Amino acid sequence: AQSVAQPEDQVNVAEGNPLTVKCTYSVSGNPYLFWYVQYPNRGLQFLLKYITGDNLVKGSYGFEAEFNKSQTSFHLKKPSALVSDSALYFCAVRAFGGGNMLTFGGGTRLMVKP
Amino acid sequence: DVKVTQSSRYLVKRTGEKVFLECVQDMDHENMFWYRQDPGLGLRLIYFSYDVKMKEKGDIPEGYSVSREKKERFSLILESASTNQTSMYLCASSLSGQGTGNEQYFGPGTRLTVT
Repeated sequence: AQSVAQPEDQVNVAEGNPLTVKCTYSVSGNPYLFWYVQYPNRGLQFLLKYITGDNLVKGSYGFEAEFNKSQTSFHLKKPSALVSDSALYFCAVRAFGGGNMLTFGGGTRLMVKP
Repeated sequence: DVKVTQSSRYLVKRTGEKVFLECVQDMDHENMFWYRQDPGLGLRLIYFSYDVKMKEKGDIPEGYSVSREKKERFSLILESASTNQTSMYLCASSLSGQGTGNEQYFGPGTRLTVT
């Protein structure tokens, strides 16, 4: 069975400061890892994914994520937060060769204050 | 751009009613998914379809059924709505191909309230 943990329900950060949203996963074999963002009353938007190769993945809106196999983590980062980054963020995983179904974490609400 | 549309943004139904949620995608994706989203629980997969007329149960299929008669359309059916099915329902689609890491594209969601 595969699982995702997002240990923080909410992350608060001041505008202009760096942000990190944490994600750890459990999967048999090599993982595919994804980050999605959800703005109020909207569906999920794809931000970035890790498939293979470079451990640092760059995505939309200046976000990046670092894959750490030994720590089974895939934390989302941004060097300088914007108020408009305030949203709900979801990490998701599926195993390589494990079919098309994703397992999502519970979500982390990011609040960026001016 | 991939576009996934859902028939309603907001829906209010009574207990015991039969409810249909419709989803349409315009990118010729093989896979389509129905999730429900509840606070603190993230997204939970209800059903998944990998081809026309083909379906697989997800984590929480009880009380739901699905229909996929055409490749672009995937319907979620609540046979007899209950109050514990009040939730946000999200449809998604993706290209097929294990080992390719294809991301899923989501519709805007339907917020269903069962009274």
